[in-house]
Amino acid sequence: GAGVSQSPSNKVTEKGKDVELRCDPISGHTALYWYRQRLGQGLEFLIYFQGNSAPDKSGLPSDRFSAERTGESVSTLTIQRTQQEDSAVYLCASSLKAGSTDTQYFGPGTRLTVL
Amino acid sequence: AQSVTQPDIHITVSEGASLELRCNYSYGATPYLFWYVQSPGQGLQLLLKYFSGDTLVQGIKGFEAEFKRSQSSFNLRKPSVHWSDAAEYFCAAFTNAGKSTFGDGTTLTVKP
Repeated sequence: GAGVSQSPSNKVTEKGKDVELRCDPISGHTALYWYRQRLGQGLEFLIYFQGNSAPDKSGLPSDRFSAERTGESVSTLTIQRTQQEDSAVYLCASSLKAGSTDTQYFGPGTRLTVL
Repeated sequence: AQSVTQPDIHITVSEGASLELRCNYSYGATPYLFWYVQSPGQGLQLLLKYFSGDTLVQGIKGFEAEFKRSQSSFNLRKPSVHWSDAAEYFCAAFTNAGKSTFGDGTTLTVKP
């Protein structure tokens, strides 16, 4: 594919349910990032995968949030027992190699609404 | 704590006028600095980035930014704004560990 893709584009769920958000990075990109963007705010770093190294989970807001990545491909962000405060756009980005100097290419995001 | 501040929530300029969007950072060391643009319905797109060296960096779409260490600033500029520049602009700082801090964004409106 030409860019980073995310699915679903929109997700509406009820409070207390679990949700899974998917990210397909650009092929060959070793680094993958997840961010949360609340309405009217900037991006909040959540987690960072760097090749096969252990991910940097320091940005995850609570233990209800987790993410996995299969090798250097697809990643899934899981939010358990969703709360209304989890409503936001969740953005995924990938870069060619690990390191902050590399350009991150962003997906279109998943808009999550928790009722 | 590391932080990135964009003091202007909303800016309105006339088409053809010059533009400056402000960004201030607070980091232990000089971070890597980026400007992104987010147009309605579009993903974030990188405009430009600064790592070291020349403090005036050129980006896409005619944008430039100047790094000023003494002021901890990385302001974005464009000499003549086009209606298509209306969007939200984010300043971001990255550490070499890959973690990032984004500002809350500045919404640019362009008047005809």
